[in-house]
Amino acid sequence: SQQGEEDPQALSIQEGENATMNCSYKTSINNLQWYRQNSGRGLVHLILIRSNEREKHSGRLRVTLDTSKKSSSLLITASRAADTASYFCATALFTGNQFYFGTGTSLTVIP
Amino acid sequence: NAGVTQTPKFQVLKTGQSMTLQCAQDMNHNSMYWYRQDPGMGLRLIYYSASEGTTDKGEVPNGYNVSRLNKREFSLRLESAAPSQTSVYFCASSVGHHTDTQYFGPGTRLTVL
Repeated sequence: SQQGEEDPQALSIQEGENATMNCSYKTSINNLQWYRQNSGRGLVHLILIRSNEREKHSGRLRVTLDTSKKSSSLLITASRAADTASYFCATALFTGNQFYFGTGTSLTVIP
Repeated sequence: NAGVTQTPKFQVLKTGQSMTLQCAQDMNHNSMYWYRQDPGMGLRLIYYSASEGTTDKGEVPNGYNVSRLNKREFSLRLESAAPSQTSVYFCASSVGHHTDTQYFGPGTRLTVL
């Protein structure tokens, strides 16, 4: 079964607004990672947050992790047209060498 | 430093044909992975190789075989292609364990008629 699921499936905002997307998962994790995929391209790693961390920042990105709710959120502040892409969360479990991707959130930033 | 490269970029096969997707990385990573991505779904792990000489099944291994040729190269083979294998295939690598950041290739878009 799929480990991560993003919400919403699609999001459309104006340039300059903030974008928030959420990820829920089912079992205990070692870490959770967010990736971006531009249309027709491979995935690019954005940020990694470990299970003992609650919040992490990288430039305009802010990620939170709530292990009690088994959920994470990715906030992109002051969005730009270049942020238009699909965003995926991925969870790494402690055992089994498995790495699970969610279904993704498609973000459109309108100039 | 090319990162992760994949060949070919596009391929069309007929049902029953075979082919090998090639992947190479120049980052001296130990672990390599093959994923498939289908519309409306996230990536699903087909096979992975934690180190040179080892391979293990992922979530959806049926219909595929892999070879970790050396530390740099990890190939994915479809012995008898089926329309259900129409997908975009991504190769990735990481320094070590699966918990590390993964670096992805540009993908191979495969259509099986």
